[in-house]
Amino acid sequence: GNSVTQMEGPVTLSEEAFLTINCTYTATGYPSLFWYVQYPGEGLQLLLKATKADDKGSNKGFEATYRKETTSFHLEKGSVQVSDSAVYFCALTYNTDKLIFGTGTRLQVFP
Amino acid sequence: KAGVTQTPRYLIKTRGQQVTLSCSPISGHRSVSWYQQTPGQGLQFLFEYFSETQRNKGNFPGRFSGRQFSNSRSEMNVSTLELGDSALYLCASSLGRANTEAFFGQGTRLTVV
Repeated sequence: GNSVTQMEGPVTLSEEAFLTINCTYTATGYPSLFWYVQYPGEGLQLLLKATKADDKGSNKGFEATYRKETTSFHLEKGSVQVSDSAVYFCALTYNTDKLIFGTGTRLQVFP
Repeated sequence: KAGVTQTPRYLIKTRGQQVTLSCSPISGHRSVSWYQQTPGQGLQFLFEYFSETQRNKGNFPGRFSGRQFSNSRSEMNVSTLELGDSALYLCASSLGRANTEAFFGQGTRLTVV
C-alpha cells in the first residue's frame, strides 16, 4: 500500500542554520505530495505541495522538490528561525482526498 | 474567509460513554475528513464525507461513525469510549477533488478517564 517515511526527530538546530528533513514515499502511480506543519496546541497547516514529478513547492522560505526517481520529497530551508520550531509532517494523496502521513519530525530551533 | 471550526476544543469523558464532535468546513468546501492523532499511532484517517455520503473509510471499529449535513457540516460520534480513544481529533475540509489540499481545524482534544 501507499506509505510515507520521515526521518526520526527531534532535529535540533541553531538559528540561521540550514534545515533538511527527509521524506520518502511508496505509492502506486504518481501521488500528490504535501508538507504540513503543526505548532504546539494547534491543528495542521499546509506548508507546501507538489502534484507532479520535478515540481518544486515553496512557501515562507521552505522548499521541497518532487523527485520521482528517488521517490523523495525532502523539506529544506536555508536559514531557520526560532519561530519555525514545530512538528513537520510529510503526506501524500493518490486519487482520493485521503491523506497518508509520515510519523512527523519535531524541529527545535535555539537562538 | 473563515477557517475550519471544530467544537468543542477540549472534552473529558468516562469510559463507556459516547461523544459527538462537530466540524464546520470552509464555506464552499463539500468534503470533510476526520483524522485521529495519538503519540503512538500518529495521524490516522478515520473517514471522509462528500455531499452527505461517506466516500472513504479508514480502519477503525464500528464504534466510530460520522455523518454530514446538507450544509456540509459534519459530526463524528464515538460510542462506548475506551481509554485508547484519548486523542486529538482533527477535521479537514477540501473542495473534494482528488489531490487537492486539505485545510485543518484546530482539533478536539478528547480525554477518556
